[in-house]
Amino acid sequence: QVQLQESGPGLVKPSETLSLTCTLSGGSISGYFWSWIRQLPGKGPEWIAYIYSSGITNYNPSLKSRVTISVDRSNNQFSLSLNSVTAADTAVYFCARIINAVAAFDIWGQGTLVTVSS
Amino acid sequence: QSALTQPPSASGSPGQSVTISCTGTSSDVGTYDLVSWYQQHPGKAPKLMISEVNKRPSGVPDRFSGSKSGNTASLTVSGLQPEDEANYYCTSFAGTNNWLLFGGGTKLTVL
Repeated sequence: QVQLQESGPGLVKPSETLSLTCTLSGGSISGYFWSWIRQLPGKGPEWIAYIYSSGITNYNPSLKSRVTISVDRSNNQFSLSLNSVTAADTAVYFCARIINAVAAFDIWGQGTLVTVSS
Repeated sequence: QSALTQPPSASGSPGQSVTISCTGTSSDVGTYDLVSWYQQHPGKAPKLMISEVNKRPSGVPDRFSGSKSGNTASLTVSGLQPEDEANYYCTSFAGTNNWLLFGGGTKLTVL
């Protein structure tokens, strides 16, 4: 059974970089698209970025200037980096698998709350 | 303001049917049959309920169905059950640049 687990600091200071890793178990990262999604408090989710196992990426235009997504196939992981964070980036961050060519997320991590505060 | 518009709330009694709408534009919902619906209980990750407008993943009850007309997609939940009470979000493919848009969500209450 494929499972995803997010990991990373739960507290980040303003202006610093938020870094999260998603680890896949029970399957292979190869041959799929993988994504980061966030959900601000009390709001709907927001797609951040996706990456194919080969390294092809795509970013939400509203966040593109601050975001980097990367993949580590040897460790079955992919990562998110969001720089110059502010309180407005406080959210639950989810990683998820994308069903190829369907633009839908079929497997999600449990999510991790990241608070931006000094 | 979310890119896709959903009503903030919907409700129904057990056994009844309820329909939730998701309105986009001709650049997303109206052009692509790549609308999905997610169910999210408090504190949990979203769960895929419908993809490609009307396809149910394995394990999703057939009480859940999807449809689309023009720029508006809909999710219908028939035979409402207490465990259906949750937030529901729609998404739509919106082209290579924007890729995916989310709706603001609809809180479904089972009375």
